[in-house]
Amino acid sequence: GAVVSQHPSRVICKSGTSVKIECRSLDFQATTMFWYRQFPKQSLMLMATSNEGSKATYEQGVEKDKFLINHASLTLSTLTVTSAHPEDSSFYICSAPRSDSISSYEQYFGPGTRLTVT
Amino acid sequence: AQTVTQSQPEMSVQEAETVTLSCTYDTSESNYYLFWYKQPPSRQMILVIRQEAYKQQNATENRFSVNFQKAAKSFSLKISDSQLGDTAMYFCAFMKHGSGNTGKLIFGQGTTLQVKP
Repeated sequence: GAVVSQHPSRVICKSGTSVKIECRSLDFQATTMFWYRQFPKQSLMLMATSNEGSKATYEQGVEKDKFLINHASLTLSTLTVTSAHPEDSSFYICSAPRSDSISSYEQYFGPGTRLTVT
Repeated sequence: AQTVTQSQPEMSVQEAETVTLSCTYDTSESNYYLFWYKQPPSRQMILVIRQEAYKQQNATENRFSVNFQKAAKSFSLKISDSQLGDTAMYFCAFMKHGSGNTGKLIFGQGTTLQVKP
């Protein structure tokens, strides 16, 4: 099956610094990628839709200046958490949908990135 | 707007037994997909089963099957012959199909399933 990777898998940073998380589709092109945030024992909360070659679409309540998304190529989207604070500590997951035909649809998830802000 | 509701935060089942996880959804769309995803302790999301709304036949994947009731907007997951490796958080999810499809998934709150030896 298709593979989506994320890097890094874990990152610890100091309050006030910025952190970049990469999401790559390894064997297919993804014009769209999604970024989720997940707190322990909770559901995935969609943060934004990353669109290749255009601006990301953010969900209501998500600060676009804090969570910068860049989708520079058909296989790479990045999420940068700027001026991170302890409350930004969370598990971040990306996903990329793959459509092979009108009747088939599959979405592939990255393994996630655990961000800890100290 | 679409919503997905999982009303069972936690469930447990004995190994080899059968368990059913509930999911209801609300939508005005007529064409859509429904999914069950599994998230084990590793936190990697794994697709368990998928159902296209236009298909009347319930989807099955080995020990996993669904009961899709379109009129009732219900989409339950049955796990037969439960195994210890089925211990995970399970998410029901909805996605629009057709020209308005962006691949955006709407998740339910999740059900934590514990399989006991």
